[in-house]
Amino acid sequence: DADVTQTPRNRITKTGKRIMLECSQTKGHDRMYWYRQDPGLGLQLIYYSFDVKDINKGEISDGYSVSRQAQAKFSLSLESAIPNQTALYFCATSDLRTAPSNQPQHFGDGTRLSIL
Amino acid sequence: GQNIDQPTEMTATEGAIVQINCTYQTSGFNGLFWYQQHAGEAPTFLSYNVLDGLEEKGRFSSFLSRSKGYSYLLLKELQMKDSASYLCAVVRAGSYQLTFGKGTKLSVIP
Repeated sequence: DADVTQTPRNRITKTGKRIMLECSQTKGHDRMYWYRQDPGLGLQLIYYSFDVKDINKGEISDGYSVSRQAQAKFSLSLESAIPNQTALYFCATSDLRTAPSNQPQHFGDGTRLSIL
Repeated sequence: GQNIDQPTEMTATEGAIVQINCTYQTSGFNGLFWYQQHAGEAPTFLSYNVLDGLEEKGRFSSFLSRSKGYSYLLLKELQMKDSASYLCAVVRAGSYQLTFGKGTKLSVIP
């Protein structure tokens, strides 16, 4: 089983629809992240959470919201999807309880989202 | 702010050595990661540098010069499976966020 699981893996939807992408992890990590990846633009941070009570905006949070339902779950919502939110979305986790800076982020397999 | 530059694409021959460069400008620095990402897949961790110098890990090595804002990833004995994108990411001081470069797409040819 994957340590970081994203659902769904693929989603096609229409403009204006509300969409939720879910992420769960079995690594016991405290920190979780949502990124989007567009061709030629690299990974951009949308939101991150350091624990259940901590939510922070990333570089491109407009049009998105998140919920940290438990240490192991972090969901990303698009309240009213628009075509330029078509992208590959990744969830990631990291463990900063031991050596803060050099703990790598572990990524899920991604959700490919297409908005028509 | 942060600015990270990598070449967009590189091509190298199987069995050869290739060096992928990354330059960065940042207001606060707390280390640099390299990730490998095969097309359509998740990025996977390759290396981390926070002090100047070379870190070697099998066929892959990573170098950092903090004073020059420069890092490189060195891949030796290239294999076809090394064809992937290589992402340079800088750790922002204080917040532990990663800022990623746009990635270098490496194609290994026979």
